Amino acid sequence: EAGVVQSPRYKIIEKKQPVAFWCNPISGHNTLYWYLQNLGQGPELLIRYENEEAVDDSQLPKDRFSAERLKGVDSTLKIQPAELGDSAVYLCASSLQGRLGTDTQYFGPGTRLTVL
Amino acid sequence: AQSVAQPEDQVNVAEGNPLTVKCTYSVSGNPYLFWYVQYPNRGLQFLLKYITGDNLVKGSYGFEAEFNKSQTSFHLKKPSALVSDSALYFCAVRDSLKAAGNKLTFGGGTRVLVKP
Repeated sequence: EAGVVQSPRYKIIEKKQPVAFWCNPISGHNTLYWYLQNLGQGPELLIRYENEEAVDDSQLPKDRFSAERLKGVDSTLKIQPAELGDSAVYLCASSLQGRLGTDTQYFGPGTRLTVL
Repeated sequence: AQSVAQPEDQVNVAEGNPLTVKCTYSVSGNPYLFWYVQYPNRGLQFLLKYITGDNLVKGSYGFEAEFNKSQTSFHLKKPSALVSDSALYFCAVRDSLKAAGNKLTFGGGTRVLVKP
């Protein structure tokens, strides 16, 4: 079974430029997450989708970040414009929701963003 | 608010010796606890989880973890460490209470170095 797929794996851009990350979750998983991970730290949730609905986007900086999950499968996370402080690894994860809170999240390899 | 603490930034152990990575948590309801491992330039890989039942949970690659409710701990253990176990380990917790928002909170991570 294929895991969570993310692209690109690496991205280098100059500040103020836009950037987009793509995620394809594990087949059949109805919940999708985007996390931000700074070097040597634990992931921090940006947004959680259940099917097509963003059910938790409280930590998403909405002035520059946006996300979408059309048709409840693939998802795209966008930053416009990027700032130096956005340099980090962006992780996508997916899970199959069962009893509340017991599902396991499976992570993709991440996209390492460097903003110059 | 829920939280996770991994008190050791790094754990050094000789190959063949027992490995322990410590984790303590704080939640309002019942805890759902997870361990993940991250190798360089890779996403997080799921090792094991505790939801309910037996306090000793066995997971992938010979790892196990013991849930201790009175000490609010969920330490990760491996009887005999391998050099290939050198990686970054994350403990994570979800609160069973719906009001907690079904959010997975990660600790800061513990780097494990297994020396030959």
